[in-house]
Amino acid sequence: AQSVTQPDIHITVSEGASLELRCNYSYGATPYLFWYVQSPGQGLQLLLKYFSGDTLVQGIKGFEAEFKRSQSSFNLRKPSVHWSDAAEYFCAVVSTDSWGKLQFGAGTQVVVTP
Amino acid sequence: NAGVTQTPKFHILKIGQSMTLQCTQDMNHNYMYWYRQDPGMGLKLIYYSVGAGITDKGEVPNGYNVSRSTTEDFPLRLELAAPSQTSVYFCASSYTGAKNIQYFGAGTRLSVL
Repeated sequence: AQSVTQPDIHITVSEGASLELRCNYSYGATPYLFWYVQSPGQGLQLLLKYFSGDTLVQGIKGFEAEFKRSQSSFNLRKPSVHWSDAAEYFCAVVSTDSWGKLQFGAGTQVVVTP
Repeated sequence: NAGVTQTPKFHILKIGQSMTLQCTQDMNHNYMYWYRQDPGMGLKLIYYSVGAGITDKGEVPNGYNVSRSTTEDFPLRLELAAPSQTSVYFCASSYTGAKNIQYFGAGTRLSVL
């Protein structure tokens, strides 16, 4: 069955430290991949996406993600976290042969400490 | 620059009552979606629409109904509300296709008591 897994439910990181959020997927073929961020009380905002090509993609707010086909992973990174990065982060995938149904991971809550 | 607008932002409903969550987008998107978000569960698709007059069920459609009479509007109807429908509801829209950048509204927090 197709699935999206975010192994970390909750991550605490110090301001200025680096952050990496994990995402693994199980699909028959390489799907289209997305990371969304949800700030408290807000809707979801797209951080970045991967459709094809360069496996390292840059997004907004200083985030980047690396697609690794061999590991079926699409991990999100930021070199230096700011207090405003405290939010919930969702990995999402869509099968390339579908109408576009997004499947979301369960999310990772990021807490930023001073 | 409104994007996707949802109303109301908050609502408390009594068991057995009905209500409609409103969603409007001004981006001329063909596709629209309704999700519910429960803690630790990510977002689950309730219903979606690929254009005016066309709707289909998602993963968790039971207890809900939708209609799509215009491109802009995609209301979600809850009939005979139950406590299990306590959730945060998000509407989203996208232009089309699998390269599917969805734009989300700010959500409706609904409690059924």
